[in-house]
Amino acid sequence: KQEVTQIPAALSVPEGENLVLNCSFTDSAIYNLQWFRQDPGKGLTSLLLIQSSQREQTSGRLNASLDKSSGRSTLYIAASQPGDSATYLCAVIDDKIIFGKGTRLHILP
Amino acid sequence: NAGVTQTPKFQVLKTGQSMTLQCAQDMNHEYMSWYRQDPGMGLRLIHYSVGAGITDQGEVPNGYNVSRSTTEDFPLRLLSAAPSQTSVYFCASSYRGGGADGYTFGSGTRLTVV
Repeated sequence: KQEVTQIPAALSVPEGENLVLNCSFTDSAIYNLQWFRQDPGKGLTSLLLIQSSQREQTSGRLNASLDKSSGRSTLYIAASQPGDSATYLCAVIDDKIIFGKGTRLHILP
Repeated sequence: NAGVTQTPKFQVLKTGQSMTLQCAQDMNHEYMSWYRQDPGMGLRLIHYSVGAGITDQGEVPNGYNVSRSTTEDFPLRLLSAAPSQTSVYFCASSYRGGGADGYTFGSGTRLTVV
């Protein structure tokens, strides 16, 4: 059974810092890995999709990496801003999508 | 706009009532899924489908039924609502294995069972 773990569960950092969110999964037989953002009371917004043949994807200040063999992914956020405050969800995709419980990020102004 | 449409957005049910949450997508995605999201529990998979006529159970299927008669629609039926089914429900779709764009999610249905 695929299990997805995100560490830390919560994180507070001062504005301007670079930060890394971690995701691990137990079964490396995945198609893709997707990172989402969720604001309180809102739906899920897709941030980055890494296909199994790729090792990383970048969008603006966000960079996500994937190491299938070790069952790990990281989401790097550069020069954090208060607007980055949200819950970040990691999800692995085989014939369904399985989520971690997320990291609640708070950027301090 | 193309995407995943969920209706209704909000619903209050009495214990024992039945209802159907609707989910429709217009992207010709093969895969569709239903999730519930509860505080501290994350997003949990209820049922999923890899194509029309094919459905399978996820992590928390009890109390819910699904069918997939068309590619576009994937309704979720609550047979006899219970307070434990109070939650936010999300529907999602994708091409096989996530395709090139990953999963797209609907905006959610907030269900309260009293």
